Amino acid sequence: EAGVTQFPSHSVIEKGQTVTLRCDPISGHDNLYWYRRVMGKEIKFLLHFVKESKQDESGMPNNRFLAERTGGTYSTLKVQPAELEDSGVYFCASSQDLTSYEQYFGPGTRLTVT
Amino acid sequence: SQQGEEDPQALSIQEGENATMNCSYKTSINNLQWYRQNSGRGLVHLILIRSNEREKHSGRLRVTLDTSKKSSSLLITASRAADTASYFCATVSGNTPLVFGKGTRLSVIA
Repeated sequence: EAGVTQFPSHSVIEKGQTVTLRCDPISGHDNLYWYRRVMGKEIKFLLHFVKESKQDESGMPNNRFLAERTGGTYSTLKVQPAELEDSGVYFCASSQDLTSYEQYFGPGTRLTVT
Repeated sequence: SQQGEEDPQALSIQEGENATMNCSYKTSINNLQWYRQNSGRGLVHLILIRSNEREKHSGRLRVTLDTSKKSSSLLITASRAADTASYFCATVSGNTPLVFGKGTRLSVIA
């Protein structure tokens, strides 16, 4: 069974540019999460989808971040325009349902904004 | 908001030794989970301990939970070079998402 995949693995962009990260959850997993780890700090929750609906987006830092999950399958996270403080590793995770507390994480996308 | 905090931030041991990492949190939880991240890889779920459990084992891993002290420990016995990674605790409370600590960087020297 394929795990959670993320694309790209690395992205280097200049301040002011736009970047779109993609996450493909495990097939059949309704729950999809985005997390971010900024250098030297803890991994922080960004948002949670249940199928195509945003269940909780309380962790989204500001309106430069837009997440979508059209059709309830893969998800994208767009940063526009990117700022230096957006640099970090963005993780995606999925789980089958809310009672299965174990989340399966992807390898992450390392974003560097210069 | 609650936060898991691991201690120590970094740990270096010889292969074969045991490694102990601690995690403290602030509010009541449903469960606490430990994850491992190898360099450049994603987070791998290691073990979950529920709030009504005190100890759990999985292979060379032993996790304890003390809800009165709001703390947990992860013990890796007979460590191997392949155990070198960052270890994170994460707590779940109600329907909230995982709340992670900053992690402990473990280096196992062969």
